[in-house]
Amino acid sequence: AQKITQTQPGMFVQEKEAVTLDCTYDTSDPSYGLFWYKQPSSGEMIFLIYQGSYDQQNATEGRYSLNFQKARKSANLVISASQLGDSAMYFCAMSQNTGFQKLVFGTGTRLLVSP
Amino acid sequence: GAVVSQHPSWVICKSGTSVKIECRSLDFQATTMFWYRQFPKQSLMLMATSNEGSKATYEQGVEKDKFLINHASLTLSTLTVTSAHPEDSSFYICSARSGGSSYEQYFGPGTRLTVT
Repeated sequence: AQKITQTQPGMFVQEKEAVTLDCTYDTSDPSYGLFWYKQPSSGEMIFLIYQGSYDQQNATEGRYSLNFQKARKSANLVISASQLGDSAMYFCAMSQNTGFQKLVFGTGTRLLVSP
Repeated sequence: GAVVSQHPSWVICKSGTSVKIECRSLDFQATTMFWYRQFPKQSLMLMATSNEGSKATYEQGVEKDKFLINHASLTLSTLTVTSAHPEDSSFYICSARSGGSSYEQYFGPGTRLTVT
C-alpha cells in the first residue's frame, strides 16, 4: 500500500525567504507520481507541481521546486521568495502510474508567511 | 487549465434526509472521477472512484449504500448522501481525469455539507 508522510504540522517563514516542506513516501510500485497541492482557506485544491518516478530532473514550476530524492523516498517542496499569499495548507500526494491513478494524500503542513 | 465545478458549494440539511452533490467537468470529458471527503483540519480521504457508465469502486470502510455515486456521462458524476446524519457533515471534493497517460487530475471547489 502507498503511504505519504508529512511530519511538519506547521511551518513559519518570513516574507521573501525560502521554505522547505517535507514529504516522504512509501510504495512498492516502480512507477508512481508525486504531487503537491495548496489548499487555501477557501478549500479549493490548487495543483502546484508534479514529479514522475522516472523523471531524471527535479520538477520546477515558477517559485516551486520539488527536491526529489528517490533513494530516500522523499519529495520535498521548496518555495522560494515566499509571499503572504502562500499562507495555506500544503498537501503532498502520490499516485500509481497505472490504472485510475487515484491519489493518496499526506496529512498536510500549514504554512504561515509573516510580513 | 481544465475546470471542474461542484454544486452546491454548501448545503445544510436535516438528519435523515438525502443530499445530492454534482460534479461537472466543464471543458473536457472525464473518464474517471474521484470523490474525497475532508474533515476539519484533516487530510483528504478518497471515498470512491467512478468511471463513466460503470459502478463506482469504493474504498475500504466507505458504505456504498449510504454514499451513492452515479457517473452518468463523461461530464457529470453525482454523490448522494442518503439518510444523512450529523457525522456525515464534512467537506466533499471531487476530482476528474481525462484518462490516458496524463497524470493531471482537476479538483472541484468542494461542497460543505452540514447535517443538523
